[in-house]
Amino acid sequence: DSVMTQSPDSLAVSLGERATINCKSSQSLLYSLNNKNYLAWYQQKPGQPPKLLIYWASTRESGVPDRFSGSGSGTDFTLTISSLRAEDVAVYYCLQYLHTPRTFGQGTKVEIK
Amino acid sequence: QVQLQESGPGLLKPSETLSLTCTVSGVSISSSYWSWIRQPPGKRLEYIGYIYYTGSTNYNPSLKSRVTISVDTSKNQFSLNLSSVTAADTAVYYCARGYFDSSGYSNPFDNWGQGTLVTVSS
Repeated sequence: DSVMTQSPDSLAVSLGERATINCKSSQSLLYSLNNKNYLAWYQQKPGQPPKLLIYWASTRESGVPDRFSGSGSGTDFTLTISSLRAEDVAVYYCLQYLHTPRTFGQGTKVEIK
Repeated sequence: QVQLQESGPGLLKPSETLSLTCTVSGVSISSSYWSWIRQPPGKRLEYIGYIYYTGSTNYNPSLKSRVTISVDTSKNQFSLNLSSVTAADTAVYYCARGYFDSSGYSNPFDNWGQGTLVTVSS
């Protein structure tokens, strides 16, 4: 299985400041035939299902605020929240959807400092 | 819009079979691939398996010997059976749309049900 490792496990950021979450895959997620990275990011708030934020490593899902951005390629990826708002407090997960079975990172909890 | 809703018993005894149904609304179940995913308390999300309306399935090797996923196109539903459950199967179970798109290309899980907590305890 492709092992997805996120860092850090948790972080506390002041309102308006930048939050950065990393995700590392044990196998490359770059598919050479279409040059796309099969990496998605999700936001999960307590008592709610995960919400898709970003796919293809950097494409925002419709309706997702532009303060959320994704970057990276191959095995190393980053989710950035450019200016943290109170409603961004959540656990964030990465998902690889290139290899079978699909696998998720362990999650990163984002809190307000 | 696409909506998914899980239903089924919330409490099981060890060795029993977990049975859950996902009812899809807002779209035909024949339009996509449909998956089951679970989240044990305090642990990461785990893919269980998918089904296509044709009946084609794929299961996580870690659970393959105990999992069956089926589809009922007339009811726009798909179901999960997990046999011989233990306490380790205690989790929130989600149904979701995704794995492949209708053209057969890999895609992420883009719509999820609210999830249902299944507890295994004697």
